[in-house]
Formats: sequence, structure tokens, C-alpha cells
Amino acid sequence: GAGVSQTPSNKVTEKGKYVELRCDPISGHTALYWYRQSLGQGPEFLIYFQGTGAADDSGLPNDRFFAVRPEGSVSTLKIQRTERGDSAVYLCASSPGGVFMNTEAFFGQGTRLTVV
Amino acid sequence: AQKITQTQPGMFVQEKEAVTLDCTYDTSDPSYGLFWYKQPSSGEMIFLIYQGSYDQQNATEGRYSLNFQKARKSANLVISASQLGDSAMYFCAMKDGANNLFFGTGTRLTVIP
Repeated sequence: GAGVSQTPSNKVTEKGKYVELRCDPISGHTALYWYRQSLGQGPEFLIYFQGTGAADDSGLPNDRFFAVRPEGSVSTLKIQRTERGDSAVYLCASSPGGVFMNTEAFFGQGTRLTVV
Repeated sequence: AQKITQTQPGMFVQEKEAVTLDCTYDTSDPSYGLFWYKQPSSGEMIFLIYQGSYDQQNATEGRYSLNFQKARKSANLVISASQLGDSAMYFCAMKDGANNLFFGTGTRLTVIP
């Protein structure tokens, strides 16, 4: 597709369950970012991939959160033992990366996660 | 440490007037990029304008301009001739030397008819 695609668009899960959120970046973009956004707040950085590797995962709040990007394109954010506080919109963005500092990141529509 | 600071949680502006949204940043990298995004109530993130740390001139894109003061580490967004459709959340963001991208907490702009 032409843009960043995130699936599912909405996810309701019970407390304690495991969830996976998927991000399909723009083809050829090597940089991929995950953010969490609560209502009325700014995007909170979670993890940044450059290619297949996590260049910076310092934003992951705890070890229940994990993300992978095995082939350098699609990425999956995984949340174990979900808690009600994990409820938020999870945003994914991609960018050409590398030395292309002047290129903006393109965002998906987000996945709204609700933990009940 | 907070990398991007937006001190105005909310701003109001009269239609057709200009408004300035503040942003300060913190980095020790000599090379970095500054961005502004708009997020309307629909939730999409819309890129507005970019300023590179080595750019000599302030960036402009239509009604948007960026007041870049490098020594003060500020990158304020100026919206001229405000329109009702400008009502939204506005986020300042910075790409650091490692190409990571950090956002501020945002400013909610309301344009008054």
C-alpha cells in the first residue's frame, strides 16, 4: 500500500491476556517507530528500529512489552499480561531513515487498545 | 530528560489572526531536525513543516512558518491567517543524531470564529 498500515484498528482484550499489534511501513523505509498515545497527550516513544534491529528500545515501559521486525519491514508490538493502564492508541510511523534527517515520519492510523 | 517541551497546553486565536505555538528542545547533537505535526480530532498525524539544524533560513510552508532560534533552542510554529480548520492538537518533534524521533506533549489550538 501507499501508506503505513496498522492492524487491527481496534482491539479490546481482557486484563491479563496477550496481544499483538502489527505495523506495515511504507515500502523501502528502513526506520520504524512505535509510540503510545493516551487521550490528550503527546506520542510517547516506545521503540525505534533501523532495519531489523532495535536502535533504541529505551521507551518500552517494562518487560511485558516487546517488539520485533525480523525482515526489516513489518513490525509487531507484543504486550504480555495486559493491564488496564496499557489502554491507549498505539501509533506506528516509518521514515526513509539513515542520513535522511530531513524526511518526516509517516504515521499509520493507529491501533486503539482497550484492556477491560 | 525531556527532549521536547511545549509549555502551552491550550491556545485560542481569532479567525484570520496569526498565532505562535512554542517549542523548545534539548540535544547535544550538532545535527538534528525539528518537525511540527497537526493532529485533528480524527487522530491522524499530519506533517506540517521541517527545520534542519544547519538550515540558515527559517522554514516556511504556505501559512506555516518556523521561528528557529538555535542559540535559544527554540522552534516556534507560526500559523498566519488562522482558519477554523486549524483547530487541532499541534506537536513539536525532534529527530536526533541517531534518527530517533521524539515528541512534545502538544498544544491544543482552538480557532474562534
